[in-house]
Amino acid sequence: DTGVSQNPRHKITKRGQNVTFRCDPISEHNRLYWYRQTLGQGPEFLTYFQNEAQLEKSRLLSDRFSAERPKGSFSTLEIQRTEQGDSAMYLCASTTFGTGAYEQYFGPGTRLTVT
Amino acid sequence: DQQVKQNSPSLSVQEGRISILNCDYTNSMFDYFLWYKKYPAEGPTFLISISSIKDKNEDGRFTVFLNKSAKHLSLHIVPSQPGDSAVYFCAASEGGTSYGKLTFGQGTILTVHP
Repeated sequence: DTGVSQNPRHKITKRGQNVTFRCDPISEHNRLYWYRQTLGQGPEFLTYFQNEAQLEKSRLLSDRFSAERPKGSFSTLEIQRTEQGDSAMYLCASTTFGTGAYEQYFGPGTRLTVT
Repeated sequence: DQQVKQNSPSLSVQEGRISILNCDYTNSMFDYFLWYKKYPAEGPTFLISISSIKDKNEDGRFTVFLNKSAKHLSLHIVPSQPGDSAVYFCAASEGGTSYGKLTFGQGTILTVHP
């Protein structure tokens, strides 16, 4: 068990550019979550997948954001036409649904800076 | 609206003493509560959790207490150690179709002095 991994760890981009982040969950976990964290705040839910199906999206997730989880393994989060307000830490977490356990295991995050 | 609130931005404690971190919530649909610890440049790490059918859960030095009528939970760390210095987040989850989607508080920075 190598834990949840995220790449890249840091991304600096210019306003208007597109960026894509990747999350590799713990292999046996069927649920994968994306959160966003800004300075001084706790993580905020963005979206989640069960296997390859995207089950819920937060209203925080504008049309510029899209997430996928092909084949129910890794997931990608793409932000199109980035804005300075998108600067944040993007966290991925995974868990196994159906065991009665709610705890999610987080990756180290991808810090996005939009200049 | 902030459904989970941690009203103390920071807490400073002497090594060996008890640390008490507090959390309040407003959503009656929350039925599972968790505490996470976060070090700089790392993702949150799960510490301990409690179901709404219980009022206490203990794991080593960590104990979580839940007061459903007051919509309040607390994390007790005894004895506190310098390595416990981190940001602590309280989180809550509803059941049903929203199962597992976590709502976090703003966090409390705990500093344990040697």
